[in-house]
Amino acid sequence: AQSVTQLGSHVSVSEGALVLLRCNYSSSVPPYLFWYVQYPNQGLQLLLKYTSAATLVKGINGFEAEFKKSETSFHLTKPSAHMSDAAEYFCAVSGTGTASKLTFGTGTRLQVTL
Amino acid sequence: GAGVSQSPRYKVAKRGQDVALRCDPISGHVSLFWYQQALGQGPEFLTYFQNEAQLDKSGLPSDRFFAERPEGSVSTLKIQRTQQEDSAVYLCASSSGLAGAAGELFFGEGSRLTVL
Repeated sequence: AQSVTQLGSHVSVSEGALVLLRCNYSSSVPPYLFWYVQYPNQGLQLLLKYTSAATLVKGINGFEAEFKKSETSFHLTKPSAHMSDAAEYFCAVSGTGTASKLTFGTGTRLQVTL
Repeated sequence: GAGVSQSPRYKVAKRGQDVALRCDPISGHVSLFWYQQALGQGPEFLTYFQNEAQLDKSGLPSDRFFAERPEGSVSTLKIQRTQQEDSAVYLCASSSGLAGAAGELFFGEGSRLTVL
């Protein structure tokens, strides 16, 4: 069984500051890991995914995440926050195999202040 | 259509009523998923279709929940005798690949169900 834990349900940063959203995973098989973003009243949108290729994954809107097996982590970062980054962010894990599906974390709401 | 379309966007039901939620996936997408997102929580898996075949329904919370995708395109999630605990946003997602293991899931905006 797979699961993810997102530390911090709310994170607030100043515009221009570093964004760090934490995600730790648990998986009995090599995982696929994802970050999704959800803007108000919109569907979830894929930011980036890790599928056992490069451990540092770059996504859209300047976000990136690093897979660290030793720490079972997949934290999301962005060097400089923008007001438009304010949203809910979900980490998700999927096992390999033909019947896999995503298991999501509880989400982290990012607030960006002036 | 350009994206995954869900209807209705909002549904208010009295306890005990039946509801039907529709999902129109991206044309040609083989895989279709339903998720349930309670307030303040992440989406939770309900069921998965590969074309018209329902390959995984392990997440359906009770036998009051039923999903179908008869022609491998549009899907309907039906909830019978709704209860207050069914109040949530129901998300539909589709993917061009099989099972969506590493492929991108495209989500609709969801159907928000409120049971009074």
